[in-house]
Amino acid sequence: GEEVAQTPKHLVRGEGQKAKLYCAPIKGHSYVFWYQQVLKNEFKFLISFQNENVFDETGMPKERFSAKCLPNSPCSLEIQATKLEDSAVYFCASSQSEQGGTEAFFGQGTRLTVV
Amino acid sequence: TQLLEQSPQFLSIQEGENLTVYCNSSSVFSSLQWYRQEPGEGPVLLVTVVTGGEVKKLKRLTFQFGDARKDSSLHITAAQPGDTGLYLCAGVIPNTGKLIFGQGTTLQVKP
Repeated sequence: GEEVAQTPKHLVRGEGQKAKLYCAPIKGHSYVFWYQQVLKNEFKFLISFQNENVFDETGMPKERFSAKCLPNSPCSLEIQATKLEDSAVYFCASSQSEQGGTEAFFGQGTRLTVV
Repeated sequence: TQLLEQSPQFLSIQEGENLTVYCNSSSVFSSLQWYRQEPGEGPVLLVTVVTGGEVKKLKRLTFQFGDARKDSSLHITAAQPGDTGLYLCAGVIPNTGKLIFGQGTTLQVKP
């Protein structure tokens, strides 16, 4: 597709429930990035993929968070046993390259609310 | 830990005024990107600056990358109400594509 498609747009989970977010990158883009936006402005890098391989996972919480990018499927970010502090907007971005001048295109985000 | 300090975080000005937003870091970036984000939407790229000392203009917006590629500024001339929104700077970590975002500047331009 011509844009990064994230689903669902909104997700409400009770504490302890699982949350799964999906991202379809732009066709032809090799890199996928997940970011968490909390407190309206603060962006935190979570993980990146080069095709189906994890490229950088230094931002992923060690517990409860996992992510995959499988061939011919949307990428996914899964949170097991959600906590209140997981409430945030999760953005996915894709780009053609990891090089500095390459533009990253962002999806519209998934707003996760943990109650 | 790489940090990118963006200031000011809030700015309310009258139509026609000029403003400058700053982003500073102790880290070197391979490039610096400026985004604008509307409520309920993802960030949209305005410009990428790559070379130290580079200046790019986008109509009334002027973007500058510091010589050492550690800092950047966004200058808006004769601001208009349509410029109202959230502006984010983001440094690209070399060889990773990973973005380190500033805290954002919420700009309000009053008619």
